[in-house]
This record gives sequence, C-alpha cells and structure tokens, in this order.
Amino acid sequence: DQQVKQNSPSLSVQEGRISILNCDYTNSMFDYFLWYKKYPAEGPTFLISISSIKDKNEDGRFTVFLNKSAKHLSLHIVPSQPGDSAVYFCASTSGGYQKVTFGIGTKLQVIP
Amino acid sequence: NAGVTQTPKFQVLKTGQSMTLQCAQDMNHEYMSWYRQDPGMGLRLIHYSVGAGITDQGEVPNGYNVSRSTTEDFPLRLLSAAPSQTSVYFCASSLPGTGNTEAFFGQGTRLTVV
Repeated sequence: DQQVKQNSPSLSVQEGRISILNCDYTNSMFDYFLWYKKYPAEGPTFLISISSIKDKNEDGRFTVFLNKSAKHLSLHIVPSQPGDSAVYFCASTSGGYQKVTFGIGTKLQVIP
Repeated sequence: NAGVTQTPKFQVLKTGQSMTLQCAQDMNHEYMSWYRQDPGMGLRLIHYSVGAGITDQGEVPNGYNVSRSTTEDFPLRLLSAAPSQTSVYFCASSLPGTGNTEAFFGQGTRLTVV
C-alpha cells in the first residue's frame, strides 16, 4: 500500500515552459513534504520542502503547492531548463526525519 | 567537501555470501539512514540511526544488520546475500529536525546477487 503516490512515471516538457509534477498521499499524519531530484548514477539531492501548515513554498524557479484537503502536492518548475531533466521524488515525513516515505519518482525530460 | 561517501560503488555477490556496505559522513550529522531503490518501488528505508549507539528498523529490515559505533560511520551488513537483495543502496545523513531538514545522500552502491 503506497502512502505516497506519483502516478506519472514520466513527463516531457519544452525548454522554457512550465513543468508540473504531481504527488498524492494517503497518510493524514504526514507533516512535512519534500522533493528530491536524482540524476543517473548519483544520489538524490534535496530540492524544496513544505510544512503541512503552509500551502505554498517558493525557491527561485521551484514552487511547491500543498492541498491538504485533497492530500495532493505539486512541484512547479518555471521556466524549465534542460538541466532539470532528472527523476523527481516526492517524500513525506511524520514524527521526524527518520520516518521518510518516498514515492516511486517521475522522470522529467526537458527538451531543448 | 566529501559529504556522504559510500563504498564500494559496485559489487557482485554470490548467493549466501556476506558483505558490508560502508557509509561515512563528515558533516557531524546525527541522523543516518540506509535505503534501497528498486524499479517501480521508489526508495525504501532499511535501517536508520538517530545517533551513535542507537539504531532502529525501517520498512524493509529483513536480511540486513547495522551498527553505529561512531557519529561518522554507519555500515550496512548483509549476512547471507539473496538475489532479492539485488538493488541500489543509498546511505543518507541529516541533522536532527522535525522532518523539514534535508537529507544528504551518498552516490549509491549497485549490488548484484547471483
């Protein structure tokens, strides 16, 4: 039973356009949500996070939106760049970092 | 900046063999974790530690042992390797927090059990 779901295994976007990556969760106890980016043959790297008490967090080209009633969050990348091509993991925590649950990832391809 | 260092990067084992995956971090992080990544499964937590001498099980602990004798090192032991343990293993570390602290990951160890 996946508690964090990323239903789109892949996404292709033209350079300069917006990329929207989606994530759904089922556990209402999750209190933080994080996005990680992963390039091939490398470990994941932290991108952006949001607390459950907020509905939006922005960092440069990256914005995460949280809709608690729908148990849904999304990552917006504007404008998309070829270097953004990677696998993006949605992750959620409850009760501290050690209880992190990851989604299966979405592979983003930004086409020049 | 070394960050989180995992060794080896690649390993092939025969069924029943044992080995230790090494993980070291130089950021003085209290939290360390081991994950495995399998196709279609995301990253799953194997074991974690909140400080030297303290470890606990994650989502998929069976077949793996850990210990944490120092802040810097968190080795993962496979006592008797099985083909089901073929995976990419990631070690991560972070500062203590309420969930919003980012984790730093190593580059991974690709393990194949034949």
